[in-house]
Amino acid sequence: AQKVTQAQTEISVVEKEDVTLDCVYETRDTTYYLFWYKQPPSGELVFLIRRNSFDEQNEISGRYSWNFQKSTSSFNFTITASQVVDSAVYFCALSERDSNYQLIWGAGTKLIIKP
Amino acid sequence: DADVTQTPRNRITKTGKRIMLECSQTKGHDRMYWYRQDPGLGLQLIYYSFDVKDINKGEISDGYSVSRQAQAKFSLSLESAIPNQTALYFCATSDSDVGTDTQYFGPGTRLTVL
Repeated sequence: AQKVTQAQTEISVVEKEDVTLDCVYETRDTTYYLFWYKQPPSGELVFLIRRNSFDEQNEISGRYSWNFQKSTSSFNFTITASQVVDSAVYFCALSERDSNYQLIWGAGTKLIIKP
Repeated sequence: DADVTQTPRNRITKTGKRIMLECSQTKGHDRMYWYRQDPGLGLQLIYYSFDVKDINKGEISDGYSVSRQAQAKFSLSLESAIPNQTALYFCATSDSDVGTDTQYFGPGTRLTVL
């Protein structure tokens, strides 16, 4: 069973629109971490955020925000006022104590921002 | 300078050849990882090492081997390359402080096996 689901394979929006990338996870562990990584067209993987299971506070970093809801097992990522430079593949990942904190990756969402 | 470096960045080779991909890090992290990424897909873990004397197989280790020469160096070898090993390979590192396993990635090595 897939432990990290990113149901949106590809999203295309026009610049300046807000866009939300969904991430749903599955774990029985009470101690776990959630991550988002960005992979721009150049190919490198850039760490964006880590959240632990005990902290449900939403996080905002500039135009980026993350909504962590344990009740729905979701960790969604919103980009406000999107820009062309936000075009990338975004990966959600889970690490859990029961799996010795190995990263379990979602399949990624390709985000295309059109000028 | 980059904290995690990979060499080579690109490699084209032929079926049956032995290939070594190298990874070095200056982050001082204990843990190192090798992943492969196939086009349009997520990452799959090949091998990981929690310290110099600890090597573990990941989900797709067949056809690969690794060597942890030092805390800062972790090499991946393809003993006899085959075309379906054509992929983007990433090295990553993380701190050994359990529970803060944020992984930091190298720039990737694009490998093509003809």
